Formats: sequence, structure tokens, C-alpha cells
Amino acid sequence: SQTIHQWPATLVQPVGSPLSLECTVEGTSNPNLYWYRQAAGRGLQLLFYSVGIGQISSEVPQNLSASRPQDRQFILSSKKLLLSDSGFYLCAWSVYRVISSYEQYFGPGTRLTVT
Amino acid sequence: AQKVTQAQTEISVVEKEDVTLDCVYETRDTTYYLFWYKQPPSGELVFLIRRNSFDEQNEISGRYSWNFQKSTSSFNFTITASQVVDSAVYFCALSEVTGGGNKLTFGTGTQLKVEL
Repeated sequence: SQTIHQWPATLVQPVGSPLSLECTVEGTSNPNLYWYRQAAGRGLQLLFYSVGIGQISSEVPQNLSASRPQDRQFILSSKKLLLSDSGFYLCAWSVYRVISSYEQYFGPGTRLTVT
Repeated sequence: AQKVTQAQTEISVVEKEDVTLDCVYETRDTTYYLFWYKQPPSGELVFLIRRNSFDEQNEISGRYSWNFQKSTSSFNFTITASQVVDSAVYFCALSEVTGGGNKLTFGTGTQLKVEL
């Protein structure tokens, strides 16, 4: 079965410090990968998605970047954090199948507080 | 542009009551997919159901049922005989197929509180 891991689970970082959040998926090959942010309140904002190694699409111009160095690894980074980067970061994966299975499966999330 | 509206911000019910969560969507695509996710207090989003635009049959899974009506662009979710464990934020989402991947547009969520 497939599993998705995220770490760290929680993180407190000062403004201006760098960030690296990691997401890995097990039990599947060539997944589509996604990073979402859930800020105060409940809305989910898609930040980046990737359909393959080295292929990153950015949805919202901001202080963050993403990379996919391996098939099942997705990294979210920042060189200098802002207060507005605080939030709950969720990684998700999906597999495209000809018979239309488009649901995304989410990891446990990382709660980031920028102080 | 795609849009999902969950007009109910918060719903409170007493255990064993039935409750319906509303979802209205907008899309220009003829082929699309709709989803419901549950987010318990732990934070992880749990996939509940997928429905494609060509299948308007309602679906029942235990105490959960879904009513998809293309004519009104709605995909409502009903919990029968609610339980405290159903307390969570529920999200409706709409997919957009693009470049081999698929992006989900989420509604703002409905907070469901089930009390004893």
C-alpha cells in the first residue's frame, strides 16, 4: 500500500531563517506531487505541483520554492522566511490512470510557525 | 476559472441527528471530478469519495451518502445519525485536468461539530 511521509511535524523558525520541508511517498511510482498551505482559517492553497523529476509548476508567486530531486521526493524550501509563511503545509500525491482516478492523498502535514 | 462554494461555515448538531453539507461548484469543463475530504483535528485530510461528471448516481457508504446533481451543480454530503467522531472540517473539491496532472480547487470547508 502507498504511504506518504512529511517531516518535520512541527517547526518554529525565526523570520529570515531558511526552510526545508520534505515529503516522500512509498509504494507507488511516478506520482504527481503537490504542496498546499493552509493558513489561519481553513482554506487550502495549492503552492506547487510536479508531474515528474525536475518538473515543478508554481501556482502562487511567493517566498517559497519547490524541488523534486527524486521520483518520490518533494521538497519545499525558502531562503528567508516571512511571518506570512506561517501555516500548515500539506503534501499530497496522486497517480493518473486512464480509468480516471484523480483523487489526491495527503500526508500528515507540517505546522510551521514563523516568529 | 473553477470555483467551489461551501456556504456553511459551521454546523452544530446533536448526536444522532442527520446533517447535510452543501457544495456548489462552477466549471467550464465537460469532464471533471468532485471530491469530499474530511479533516479531523489532527490535520491530515482524509479522502472520502470521488465522483466523475458522467456518473450522477447517488452513493451510500454506511452512514455517509452523496447527492450529485449536475443540473444544479451541486454535490451534497449527508451524514445520517451523526456521531461525535464525525466532528471535523469537511472540504469539497473540484479537479482540473492539466498537463497530465490534476489540480484540485477546494471550497473553504464546513466545520461540523457533533455534540452529545
